[in-house]
Amino acid sequence: GDSVTQMEGPVTLSEEAFLTINCTYTATGYPSLFWYVQYPGEGLQLLLKATKADDKGSNKGFEATYRKETTSFHLEKGSVQVSDSAVYFCALTERDDKIIFGKGTRLHILP
Amino acid sequence: NAGVTQTPKFQVLKTGQSMTLQCAQDMNHNSMYWYRQDPGMGLRLIYYSASEGTTDKGEVPNGYNVSRLNKREFSLRLESAAPSQTSVYFCASSESLVRGRHFGDGTRLSIL
Repeated sequence: GDSVTQMEGPVTLSEEAFLTINCTYTATGYPSLFWYVQYPGEGLQLLLKATKADDKGSNKGFEATYRKETTSFHLEKGSVQVSDSAVYFCALTERDDKIIFGKGTRLHILP
Repeated sequence: NAGVTQTPKFQVLKTGQSMTLQCAQDMNHNSMYWYRQDPGMGLRLIYYSASEGTTDKGEVPNGYNVSRLNKREFSLRLESAAPSQTSVYFCASSESLVRGRHFGDGTRLSIL
């Protein structure tokens, strides 16, 4: 079945460092791919999405490119801030409207 | 600008008690969902409703029931709470497959 695998955390970086959180997926068809962010005590918020191969999703300085050849959707940011500390979830959906989440990666940014 | 509203935010129950978690969305979405979030497990789908009047089981439906009361509201009921149901419960809604889910802020439920 479909699945999402993302790097285990926690990931700890200093402020202004470059961030990469890896995400790979397996799917039988052509899924849409998402990154969600969860701040402490809150629900998940959609961060960015891409619906077809080579699409780049971007929001709040974060970017991810849908790579069909490597079945990946890695999240990147050039310069992280303390306020980016959160849990990040990679996810995919296919035509049956089921969304598959990865297990989440906790990110800590040190001032 | 409410989006998805869940009540209550916190609840402590004793084993065997019953409880209903409420969820309402004001975005006119057709689809609504209930998830539970546990450490190391990510989010797991309990039940979902693709439209008013329909409900379907998700990945972990045992011990739960749901009601899609109308287009806005989707409730989750625990008939006889068990300690294994201690979790954070999230309600979500969506307009379409590619637009992603809108989540509530969660209900933190402890079963003693």
